[in-house]
Amino acid sequence: NAGVTQTPKFQVLKTGQSMTLQCAQDMNHEYMSWYRQDPGMGLRLIHYSVGAGITDQGEVPNGYNVSRSTTEDFPLRLLSAAPSQTSVYFCASRSLQGMNYGYTFGSGTRLTVV
Amino acid sequence: QQQVKQSPQSLIVQKGGISIINCAYENTAFDYFPWYQQFPGKGPALLIAIRPDVSEKKEGRFTISFNKSAKQFSLHIMDSQPGDSATYFCAASPWTGTASKLTFGTGTRLQVTL
Repeated sequence: NAGVTQTPKFQVLKTGQSMTLQCAQDMNHEYMSWYRQDPGMGLRLIHYSVGAGITDQGEVPNGYNVSRSTTEDFPLRLLSAAPSQTSVYFCASRSLQGMNYGYTFGSGTRLTVV
Repeated sequence: QQQVKQSPQSLIVQKGGISIINCAYENTAFDYFPWYQQFPGKGPALLIAIRPDVSEKKEGRFTISFNKSAKQFSLHIMDSQPGDSATYFCAASPWTGTASKLTFGTGTRLQVTL
């Protein structure tokens, strides 16, 4: 099924550990983004990309790195995990062609940092 | 700073009733206003969206009302059903051809009772 695939679905990290959250889409969408969802705070943009080789910061980028080497993949890296990064992370993509502005979201990665 | 304010935080409606969720924005550059629906354990999914060239958009039981002068928009769910129980997010972004970053509200948890 076409869509956005996120792995893993669940992860527990110790403070200071690093990890990469994977995101892949098969819809040839140019735009990809990472959001974190926290209770009472909605969805906040971490980083986004408008195409391979192009990334930019969102609202809450500190502690996270991204890269975009292909159209399909947009991994999110936590270099040194902190308890404040405990959250549910969503990857979302959309086409920059035509008039369809709807985002397609993945099913999320629930991350706990202890 | 919270650029999109959403209320209420939670809402309980009886089956068959009308659910109303309100959002207000500050950034006058915003001119695309979608609503997303999220079920537990899933990513948000686009429900309905509006641009400010119209004051209302209806799709089935879901209606967006838009007041440009007041910088407010709302979601009305007519004949609410238990299957509508979910978290609803309003969002806003500039209508550009490229990196239209969505800013989300904090979400409303809707429960429709029998």
